[in-house]
Amino acid sequence: DAKTTQPTSMDCAEGRAANLPCNHSTISGNEYVYWYRQIHSQGPQYIIHGLKNNETNEMASLIITEDRKSSTLILPHATLRDTAVYYCIVRVANNFNKFYFGSGTKLNVKP
Amino acid sequence: EPEVTQTPSHQVTQMGQEVILRCVPISNHLYFYWYRQILGQKVEFLVSFYNNEISEKSEIFDDQFSVERPDGSNFTLKIRSTKLEDSAMYFCASSEGSDMNTEAFFGQGTRLTVV
Repeated sequence: DAKTTQPTSMDCAEGRAANLPCNHSTISGNEYVYWYRQIHSQGPQYIIHGLKNNETNEMASLIITEDRKSSTLILPHATLRDTAVYYCIVRVANNFNKFYFGSGTKLNVKP
Repeated sequence: EPEVTQTPSHQVTQMGQEVILRCVPISNHLYFYWYRQILGQKVEFLVSFYNNEISEKSEIFDDQFSVERPDGSNFTLKIRSTKLEDSAMYFCASSEGSDMNTEAFFGQGTRLTVV
């Protein structure tokens, strides 16, 4: 079962930062937040994950609130190729053998 | 960059036929997974596999499904007698470990069409 809530869709102008929110108010202390994206019907692509500290890699930044009840994925300079469905996933402590994909957020990057 | 590769990219089969979907996980990974996505629906977990045995399977993964690692590189999903409702994208994934701090990497998928 999903432990996350995401908006159904968002728009972002090309070249601007895309900030994708995710609520996970029931997250436990040792559960990680993961972000994947899916472009068209391609395989899910790993973006980033974190526990409580903010994380950054070449693709994105992950900001996790101090209470860990929500997080934001930031794509600093969105391009048209970033148009995709973005999934925020909490990897649960008692069922960490799999990833549960909810409905995600459809990000539309517009010229 | 290492990647998970899946073949074929598209498979068309007649109802009742057996199909085998193939995957080559990333070479140093030890944990393997199959997921599927019916058109317009969510990505669903099917099965996880480690040390030559199934670690976990979902309700979808019934007796018609089986997985195997026949050699040191391939990981296969077999559907014994396909049904129309098996039509979907099937994604293979692999990870180095199974702890919560380890990401999984997915292949580009096989589109299975049962006619």
